Amino acid sequence: DSGVTQTPKHLITATGQRVTLRCSPRSGDLSVYWYQQSLDQGLQFLIQYYNGEERAKGNILERFSAQQFPDLHSELNLSSLELGDSALYFCASSQAGPQVVAGELFFGEGSRLTVL
Amino acid sequence: AQSVTQLDSHVSVSEGTPVLLRCNYSSSYSPSLFWYVQHPNKGLQLLLKYTSAATLVKGINGFEAEFKKSETSFHLTKPSAHMSDAAEYFCVVSVQPSGTYKYIFGTGTRLKVLA
Repeated sequence: DSGVTQTPKHLITATGQRVTLRCSPRSGDLSVYWYQQSLDQGLQFLIQYYNGEERAKGNILERFSAQQFPDLHSELNLSSLELGDSALYFCASSQAGPQVVAGELFFGEGSRLTVL
Repeated sequence: AQSVTQLDSHVSVSEGTPVLLRCNYSSSYSPSLFWYVQHPNKGLQLLLKYTSAATLVKGINGFEAEFKKSETSFHLTKPSAHMSDAAEYFCVVSVQPSGTYKYIFGTGTRLKVLA
């Protein structure tokens, strides 16, 4: 058990809909990272938050947004869903921050999104 | 620019034989290096990490990796493969170009273990 909790584990929805994925980081970790994993694109970095602030953006579509709340949990919002958004979405947390030496990422079990 | 190259997308070995998964990196900064394993429909689990201490790093489940700066490599090895080692393996570089850490993932190597 990594200590990172993601909900829901599975989600099936239709094109055009909007979903929210939730992540609770490991206790004490201030950084949260979101990744998308699909068969054709592999593991893609989407976005990182550190202590409530956005720190880095990767290949995140404009239809997607995220935030990190004061209690450090994070949500990834996916809107106007397309078939190609079907993927496994991972959240990871770490202690890494501007003044902290990089440690490992701790991954949740993922949220599998199926868009029909 | 930083990058990670996993030289083999698929590796097949027989049970009981050695495993070698190759990883090369490129970094302008002093990197931290990691190997992760992902079993089907599971999250990624840390196998081992290098953070500028000993160059030979031992991890879980009998895996180890050696950091070779001159070759910019961080290959993952195991003396004897087990059926349960069948999974996808990711090599990861962490660098801090400006105030925040970036984690750069390789494209993964799928390990198949034959009975």
